[in-house]
Amino acid sequence: TQLLEQSPQFLSIQEGENLTVYCNSSSVFSSLQWYRQEPGEGPVLLVTVVTGGEVKKLKRLTFQFGDARKDSSLHITAAQTGDTGLYLCAGYLGDRSAGGTSYGKLTFGQGTILTVHP
Amino acid sequence: GAVVSQHPSRVICKSGTSVKIECRSLDFQATTMFWYRQFPKQSLMLMATSNEGSKATYEQGVEKDKFLINHASLTLSTLTVTSAHPEDSSFYICSAKTGQGARGGYTFGSGTRLTVV
Repeated sequence: TQLLEQSPQFLSIQEGENLTVYCNSSSVFSSLQWYRQEPGEGPVLLVTVVTGGEVKKLKRLTFQFGDARKDSSLHITAAQTGDTGLYLCAGYLGDRSAGGTSYGKLTFGQGTILTVHP
Repeated sequence: GAVVSQHPSRVICKSGTSVKIECRSLDFQATTMFWYRQFPKQSLMLMATSNEGSKATYEQGVEKDKFLINHASLTLSTLTVTSAHPEDSSFYICSAKTGQGARGGYTFGSGTRLTVV
């Protein structure tokens, strides 16, 4: 069972189109992070959302955290070829999860491979 | 910003040999580091949490004797793949949490591409 369900897993669009990637869970997260990863490199943090209902913008990227802190979305406006990459959402449960210890680990969604064609 | 240096970036080894991957936190101390494995076009799978001065915590299904983790200092964690086999070929990534609480960031190493022949 995947703790964080990310969709879609593959997205192929034309330059200029808009897109949205979703991350959903039945668990409540202390925070949720979005990363972008290029082939052969480690993930790079795009944003961290902490407060339920929080919306953050990073140029053409808009990130939203659900009111209940169980889901999040990433919306890209007017996609460019440079946006191509693997997008990952990751949930943070806290340094000490209920009933055990999580040591601050992140739980990743399955990832979305975005390809933007010229 | 915080930097995590991971070496080597690529390694090819013969089946049956062991390979050590290093993960160093530069300019900050990391009491906890995380080791991930990633297959092509897939997400990161957490293998283990490395704690400075104590035993690592392994995720379910990860063989402790196969993937040895040592976190002997506040700036260095190592992952040793013992008696490597072709099925161990993968992209291994380490990370460290660079801040406290929910707003604390994570910095990732650049990854190690392991190929076992």
